[in-house]
Amino acid sequence: DAGITQSPRHKVTETGTPVTLRCHQTENHRYMYWYRQDPGHGLRLIHYSYGVKDTDKGEVSDGYSVSRSKTEDFLLTLESATSSQTSVYFCAISESAGGYGGELFFGEGSRLTVL
Amino acid sequence: GQQVMQIPQYQHVQEGEDFTTYCNSSTTLSNIQWYKQRPGGHPVFLIQLVKSGEVKKQKRLTFQFGEAKKNSSLHITATQTTDVGTYFCAHNNAGNMLTFGGGTRLMVKP
Repeated sequence: DAGITQSPRHKVTETGTPVTLRCHQTENHRYMYWYRQDPGHGLRLIHYSYGVKDTDKGEVSDGYSVSRSKTEDFLLTLESATSSQTSVYFCAISESAGGYGGELFFGEGSRLTVL
Repeated sequence: GQQVMQIPQYQHVQEGEDFTTYCNSSTTLSNIQWYKQRPGGHPVFLIQLVKSGEVKKQKRLTFQFGEAKKNSSLHITATQTTDVGTYFCAHNNAGNMLTFGGGTRLMVKP
């Protein structure tokens, strides 16, 4: 398996609190992604990064922000968590752009529950 | 962006039966990738198809890309309990983004 670590793996928080999920990679891949997975919706892209300090929005970016200050770390922040953000969050990495045929390697996932 | 529809959403099969999942698009796809996610696990890349009419095999799995590059299928011959999981197709929606279909969940009765 690719060297991808997500933390925390499980988190329960209350509505209105800030939450940060971390993705750490040891593969030196350029591209990093955050997806959320919900029943009936498959995997939906939140944000992605194509280099240090280079990020862009995905299809469900509202309520989320990201930062990438180092190649190996990609942070996903929920500034004020809502119950609709209860989900399983997957980080993924790829050597070349996923949209252009780059194979994605996924982390183990972070299960977030917002009460 | 363009969407792909995966059918069926769920499939129960008896061990030893064949299984097929389909990925359909209303527009031409530049490429298609397939991933498998075991229950409680994370998606794992299976294969990528790029050429019109392409067929690739991995043991009991056969992947096809339609001639018009608007659909793709994954066929499993003689399913085993180890095939249980959700199978996703994914495609290039725009630029760097890979967009996933809704997935087909396969359940196999021993």
